[in-house]
Amino acid sequence: AQTVTQSQPEMSVQEAETVTLSCTYDTSESDYYLFWYKQPPSRQMILVIRQEAYKQQNATENRFSVNFQKAAKSFSLKISDSQLGDAAMYFCAYRSAVGNQFYFGTGTSLTVIP
Amino acid sequence: EAGVTQSPTHLIKTRGQQATLRCSPISGHTSVYWYQQALGLGLQFLLWYDEGEERNRGNFPPRFSGRQFPNYSSELNVNALELEDSALYLCASISSGTTYEQYFGPGTRLTVT
Repeated sequence: AQTVTQSQPEMSVQEAETVTLSCTYDTSESDYYLFWYKQPPSRQMILVIRQEAYKQQNATENRFSVNFQKAAKSFSLKISDSQLGDAAMYFCAYRSAVGNQFYFGTGTSLTVIP
Repeated sequence: EAGVTQSPTHLIKTRGQQATLRCSPISGHTSVYWYQQALGLGLQFLLWYDEGEERNRGNFPPRFSGRQFPNYSSELNVNALELEDSALYLCASISSGTTYEQYFGPGTRLTVT
């Protein structure tokens, strides 16, 4: 089974600064999908960004971007110009291109310091 | 378009009782996933239903069960509740055949006393 590892249980960043959250995964598949989800204190989980493994270009969504290193099986999330509303638990997730099974990391709790 | 809905928002039960949690997926979504999120822990996969069938289950005892109805809504049942079952239970749905992300509901907070 695939595994997803988030080695940083907690991170903090000053408002307006940049922070990078790490995620690594283990798989023998060549095609798959990767996601970052955000779970604010109000608990509704929402998608931040997604990346298809067959795409070499790193995904970007406004202030959020990823550094996808397929050979290294690494998928980090960079948050630029951090805002107070970015404070949340962030989960990295993997989905095989075959079937609909999803695998989640244990999460990184991000604190934004005013 | 309505998102994934879950009911109830909060549920308080006594040890040994049964709990029933409900989930309605986004219209058109045929797959429903259940996750347990205990305090301080990540998402633990519980069950996955697609087109009315159970496709996979996580490493949980048989007292965790569920079903998916013809309208694709789903129910999670937890029998013989134990104190450690206290957690946030999240439901998520996707549209079968897509390659994209899950959409999550707000969760049901189950407290076992």
